[in-house]
Amino acid sequence: EAQVTQNPRYLITVTGKKLTVTCSQNMNHEYMSWYRQDPGLGLRQIYYSMNVEVTDKGDVPEGYKVSRKEKRNFPLILESPSPNQTSLYFCASRDTGGREQFFGPGTRLTVL
Amino acid sequence: GNSVTQMEGPVTLSEEAFLTINCTYTATGYPSLFWYVQYPGEGLQLLLKATKADDKGSNKGFEATYRKETTSFHLEKGSVQVSDSAVYFCALGNSGGSNYKLTFGKGTLLTVNP
Repeated sequence: EAQVTQNPRYLITVTGKKLTVTCSQNMNHEYMSWYRQDPGLGLRQIYYSMNVEVTDKGDVPEGYKVSRKEKRNFPLILESPSPNQTSLYFCASRDTGGREQFFGPGTRLTVL
Repeated sequence: GNSVTQMEGPVTLSEEAFLTINCTYTATGYPSLFWYVQYPGEGLQLLLKATKADDKGSNKGFEATYRKETTSFHLEKGSVQVSDSAVYFCALGNSGGSNYKLTFGKGTLLTVNP
């Protein structure tokens, strides 16, 4: 089944404790992206990657890092999480030339 | 830059009522337009899309027409069901250099009562 998977689905952590949210897709898509969803703000793009080893900032990159060492994986790294990063995070992927993005199930992160 | 403005919610309807959720956009070039749906506790699913002016996207009884002259992409359904209760997002897809990103509206919560 073609899909985007994320882990963990739920995470409660404390300020300053480094964490990684994994994202993997099995559709051989070149483009991958991370969004965060906050009430009243919709979804905003954090980072994106056009291909392996090619990443760039989206609209709200502060406090986040990403890497793209393999085509299928695009982890989101929070080196020192803060409470304002409490949010619902979505990973998405898209084929080159395609217009539709496929979303993962989301990761709900709470930073205390 | 690109932006999407959609109807503020929440919207509460009775089963079999007619639904309209308004969406307007601002964009350069020739964007594609999407409606995504988020059911309670789940991720985003593509509901329908339109890639050029006058295209009509449709799925599961929902429809939306890409109107370039009014920069709109309103979502409609003739008879809603309880199972349609969800958050609906209007989104615009456009190339910003190398980044074909989606710009989302803030979402509209729809509740359908039996």
